[in-house]
Amino acid sequence: GDSVTQMEGPVTLSEEAFLTINCTYTATGYPSLFWYVQYPGEGLQLLLKATKADDKGSNKGFEATYRKETTSFHLEKGSVQVSDSAVYFCALRIMMNYGGSQGNLIFGKGTKLSVKP
Amino acid sequence: EAGVTQFPSHSVIEKGQTVTLRCDPISGHDNLYWYRRVMGKEIKFLLHFVKESKQDESGMPNNRFLAERTGGTYSTLKVQPAELEDSGVYFCASSPRGASSSGGYEQYFGPGTRLTVT
Repeated sequence: GDSVTQMEGPVTLSEEAFLTINCTYTATGYPSLFWYVQYPGEGLQLLLKATKADDKGSNKGFEATYRKETTSFHLEKGSVQVSDSAVYFCALRIMMNYGGSQGNLIFGKGTKLSVKP
Repeated sequence: EAGVTQFPSHSVIEKGQTVTLRCDPISGHDNLYWYRRVMGKEIKFLLHFVKESKQDESGMPNNRFLAERTGGTYSTLKVQPAELEDSGVYFCASSPRGASSSGGYEQYFGPGTRLTVT
């Protein structure tokens, strides 16, 4: 079945360090790929997305490129800040036959990131 | 615009009791989803409403779980009777209806309800 595997944390970095969180997927169809972030005490927020191969999603200094050949969607940021401390979830959604891509999301287990000043 | 809200934020009940979780989606969003995250595991899909109709309930774990969305507005998820393995965080999400060329609409998540069954 369809699934997402992401590196498990926790990940602890110093401020201004480089961040990579690995994410790979298995999908039978043509997935859209997402990174969601959950800050302490809040709900999940969409961080970025990519809907087809070679697309790059970016937001708030974070980037991820949809690599079909390696079935990956790794999250990167060049210089993390304390405010980036959160749990990050990689997810996919398969195009559905009814009404377009309104199907459910399939998530990885989440990676907790802590950034120290 | 108000976001997705969920109530309660935290519920502690004993095994065998009943609990009802509520989700209020963003006004005008026809799609409503329930997800659950058991500690240390992935967030898993439970079911999907389009307005008041259940579009997909393939993720519901068993018949102790009952979801409703009367009138196509808010939704409730009842667990009766609760078991220890039902503990986790229950998320609700909503999105507008209709496809978009960019792979569908974003799902907006609520803060979740943390359910603890003792």
